[in-house]
Amino acid sequence: LAKTTQPISMDSYEGQEVNITCSHNNIATNDYITWYQQFPSQGPRFIIQGYKTKVTNEVASLFIPADRKSSTLSLPRVSLSDTAVYYCLVGEKAAGNKLTFGGGTRVLVKP
Amino acid sequence: NAGVTQTPKFRVLKTGQSMTLLCAQDMNHEYMYWYRQDPGMGLRLIHYSVGEGTTAKGEVPDGYNVSRLKKQNFLLGLESAAPSQTSVYFCASSLNHYQETQYFGPGTRLLVL
Repeated sequence: LAKTTQPISMDSYEGQEVNITCSHNNIATNDYITWYQQFPSQGPRFIIQGYKTKVTNEVASLFIPADRKSSTLSLPRVSLSDTAVYYCLVGEKAAGNKLTFGGGTRVLVKP
Repeated sequence: NAGVTQTPKFRVLKTGQSMTLLCAQDMNHEYMYWYRQDPGMGLRLIHYSVGEGTTAKGEVPDGYNVSRLKKQNFLLGLESAAPSQTSVYFCASSLNHYQETQYFGPGTRLLVL
């Protein structure tokens, strides 16, 4: 079973790129990695999902190397409103569709 | 289209009391989930349902029961609340299971004294 690990926090400045890595050993080829954003007193909100190589949407990119032991969420040109907690989620089909959230990374964007 | 709603938003219980948390979704999703979120521990899955009339245990099911009598509703029950169940509870739903986007409700903050 995978154990997902993320950095507890990171600081950045407006306009910079923020990269958050999630470590998840032992995931299968077709297991998906999903990232969520959470603001205080709100439920998590979907950002991006993928299971191999690179996925890009209008708000983020997700990089998954060939060994699939980690994945990196990339937020380009962050603004103050991107200050939030970011969670990775691994869904393991072989483990009975087990869903495992990482502990979350608190990102603080400074002016 | 309200998405996922949760009732109540906040509740205080005494140890040993019981209560039911209600989750409702209007997206016709098959799958629904209950999570708890504690400081520094992320979200942990309590129970989930893959369709009307079905339920399954997640990572931390002890002390909780669930029911899915209607497709749009997923109830989480605490039969005898304990201080260790003080947490924020989130409900979520998805069209399919692990490879689908989950839509979360606003959460219920529960304090057990």
